[in-house]
Amino acid sequence: AQSVAQPEDQVNVAEGNPLTVKCTYSVSGNPYLFWYVQYPNRGLQFLLKYITGDNLVKGSYGFEAEFNKSQTSFHLKKPSALVSDSALYFCAVRGGIRNAGNMLTFGGGTRLMVKP
Amino acid sequence: GAVVSQHPSWVICKSGTSVKIECRSLDFQATTMFWYRQFPKQSLMLMATSNEGSKATYEQGVEKDKFLINHASLTLSTLTVTSAHPEDSSFYICSARAPQGIHQPQHFGDGTRLSIL
Repeated sequence: AQSVAQPEDQVNVAEGNPLTVKCTYSVSGNPYLFWYVQYPNRGLQFLLKYITGDNLVKGSYGFEAEFNKSQTSFHLKKPSALVSDSALYFCAVRGGIRNAGNMLTFGGGTRLMVKP
Repeated sequence: GAVVSQHPSWVICKSGTSVKIECRSLDFQATTMFWYRQFPKQSLMLMATSNEGSKATYEQGVEKDKFLINHASLTLSTLTVTSAHPEDSSFYICSARAPQGIHQPQHFGDGTRLSIL
């Protein structure tokens, strides 16, 4: 079975400082990893994905994530946080085995609070 | 591109009412759509996978007769919560995967907040 862990319920960052939202995963086969952001009373917006290739993936709104196979991690990062980045962030994984099909497994979510 | 529209965004109704939620892919065809449920301050829980032209695949613990899913066309899936009760109150979100390949991200609707009185 595949699983995702986001160890921090909330991350607090001052505006202009770098931010990191942590994610670790467990999956059989090669992982396909995704980050989504959710604003209040809205659905999820896709930020970035890792399928194969470079371990550092760049996505929307200046976010990037680093795939680390040995640590089974896919932490989300941004060099300089904005107040408007405050939202709920979800990490998700899809297993690489054929029978995993299309199912995404989500982490519990991390609330990012960026203070002015 | 890859816009998913979900309607209605908010529903308040009496216990015993059946509620239909629509999920549309506006600019692409989606053979597969997904229905999730999200409780306050919690993650998304996959309820079912909706397959165009065939029966939906439900996750363990999800009642098929309670949550009816119909995916009659390549751009529309509906979720009907039958005889809704207060415990069915939740935020329901649909998603669809663009057809270019299984590695493409899912695109989500804005969700439907269902409140049963």
